[in-house]
Amino acid sequence: SQTIHQWPATLVQPVGSPLSLECTVEGTSNPNLYWYRQAAGRGLQLLFYSVGIGQISSEVPQNLSASRPQDRQFILSSKKLLLSDSGFYLCAWSPTSEAFFGQGTRLTVV
Amino acid sequence: EDQVTQSPEALRLQEGESSSLNCSYTVSGLRGLFWYRQDPGKGPEFLFTLYSAGEEKEKERLKATLTKKESFLHITAPKPEDSATYLCAVPRRAGTALIFGKGTTLSVSS
Repeated sequence: SQTIHQWPATLVQPVGSPLSLECTVEGTSNPNLYWYRQAAGRGLQLLFYSVGIGQISSEVPQNLSASRPQDRQFILSSKKLLLSDSGFYLCAWSPTSEAFFGQGTRLTVV
Repeated sequence: EDQVTQSPEALRLQEGESSSLNCSYTVSGLRGLFWYRQDPGKGPEFLFTLYSAGEEKEKERLKATLTKKESFLHITAPKPEDSATYLCAVPRRAGTALIFGKGTTLSVSS
């Protein structure tokens, strides 16, 4: 069966520090991968999606970036965090239409 | 613009008090509607996929239905463990990424 791993579960980072969140999927090949952010009262916002290695589409202009160095690995990064980057970050994978989510990373920028 | 709207934002029920949650969408050429359950601090958990008007899916006390403009999640004789935020989502017109509503937070008291 397929599983998705996302870490860390919680993270507190100072403003201006770098960020790296990692997500891996097991039990499938060539999945569609997504990064979403969930802020209170705003629902899930799509940040990036990838249909293959090295193929990244960005949905929202911001100081975040994403990379897919391997088929089942998706990384969310930032060179310098802002206070507004705080939120709940979710990685998801999709075989066709429905998406399956990781457990999320609660990021607090202080 | 593709849009998903859920109502009500919050719903409080007594144990055993049945009710319905609404999800309306404006995307044309619907390629599926998805329901998720999200517990606090966790990633969304996939519940159902509906593809065509008139389709129904059931799981324990939950039943999802679909019309051409909206979907309902019916909760029959809910229990406290049904308390969660319920999200609905549809695929965007292009690609597989999902657009989410803001969710309905259900609280069931005993």
